[in-house]
Amino acid sequence: AQSVAQPEDQVNVAEGNPLTVKCTYSVSGNPYLFWYVQYPNRGLQFLLKYITGDNLVKGSYGFEAEFNKSQTSFHLKKPSALVSDSALYFCAVNANFNKFYFGSGTKLNVKP
Amino acid sequence: DARVTQTPRHKVTEMGQEVTMRCQPILGHNTVFWYRQTMMQGLELLAYFRNRAPLDDSGMPKDRFSAEMPDATLATLKIQPSEPRDSAVYFCASGPGPSNEQFFGPGTRLTVL
Repeated sequence: AQSVAQPEDQVNVAEGNPLTVKCTYSVSGNPYLFWYVQYPNRGLQFLLKYITGDNLVKGSYGFEAEFNKSQTSFHLKKPSALVSDSALYFCAVNANFNKFYFGSGTKLNVKP
Repeated sequence: DARVTQTPRHKVTEMGQEVTMRCQPILGHNTVFWYRQTMMQGLELLAYFRNRAPLDDSGMPKDRFSAEMPDATLATLKIQPSEPRDSAVYFCASGPGPSNEQFFGPGTRLTVL
């Protein structure tokens, strides 16, 4: 069965510090992995994706994510957090041209 | 700047009434998804279309919900009859292919009294 887990409901970080939002997945076949961000009262916005190739993927707003096949993880990272990064973040997986599976979301709080 | 549009943005109705939500996917996108988001359940996939054909609606309560794509520019989600537990934000998303990123609309916030 395909699934995505975001083990942290909430992540708190001080502005200027690095941030990591965790995601692990379980799929049969090669995974296509995605990160989305949702600001209050808005739809989800695409941040970045991993399809194949380099394990480190760079995306919008300075975010990046590292694909780790052995640990089946796809953690979202940013070297220096901004207060404006505070939002809800979703990891998603798609395999074998099937439907998408979204994680439960992680609320990121960046404090000034 | 191509966007997914959804109407209405807000809907308040009484239990038992029919609700129709509409979505215009991005031109050229051949996959369309309907999701429901609540605090308790998070983001749930309700239905998934590819080239206007329904591929998966296993997440949708069949007795009251229905999803269709009458043409490539319109997707609809209907609830009949509506119930208070249907109160949620309903998102439509479209994508250029089955494994490409999805582009989400702004959502329809439904309140059933």
